[in-house]
Amino acid sequence: QVQLQESGPGLVKPSETLSLTCTVSGGSMSSYYWSWIRQPPGKGLEWIGYIYYSGSTNYNSSLRSRVSISVDNSKNQFSLKLNSVTAADTAVYYCASLYGSFDHWGQGTLVTVSS
Amino acid sequence: EIVMTQSPATLSVSPGERATLSCRASQNINNNLAWYQQIPGQAPRLLINGASTRATGIPARFSGSGSGTEFTLTISSLQSEDFAFYYCQQYSNWPPLTFGGGTKVEIK
Repeated sequence: QVQLQESGPGLVKPSETLSLTCTVSGGSMSSYYWSWIRQPPGKGLEWIGYIYYSGSTNYNSSLRSRVSISVDNSKNQFSLKLNSVTAADTAVYYCASLYGSFDHWGQGTLVTVSS
Repeated sequence: EIVMTQSPATLSVSPGERATLSCRASQNINNNLAWYQQIPGQAPRLLINGASTRATGIPARFSGSGSGTEFTLTISSLQSEDFAFYYCQQYSNWPPLTFGGGTKVEIK
């Protein structure tokens, strides 16, 4: 059973860079695409982007200028960087395995953007 | 971008009754649709993909139907643990991957 766990700071200052890592266990990195999704408080789900184990990526056009996803297959991890954050980026950030549908999800981590 | 529209926004149902949730795609997505359940404070959980295939461990009271642009999630007899938010998601033409706005199923 694939399991995912997000880690990273829960508080980021405006204009700085949000950085999160997702650690994958119980599955091969080559079996899925790996994705980030976020959910602002009280709102719905927004897909951020995905990466394949080969390193190929694709991002939501609304975030493309600020987002980067990378993978470290040796550590079974993939990471998210979102720069120039504002209060609108405050959300629970989830990592998930992607095979069309998002089959497995991490528990999520709340990131608050505030000075 | 394919826009997913869910209705109603809130559905009030008594325990043991049937709940019917709708999801509409702005263009044909064949059967490339997934449904998720999200209990407040928890991560979403995959219920159904391929519009009608239950994910591993999902009870038979959850069923999905539809194809093209109109889809339905039916919960045949609501249990207490089923009161939650439900989201649909298309994966026909991606990126981007897009979700509906969600339906809240609450106790009547």
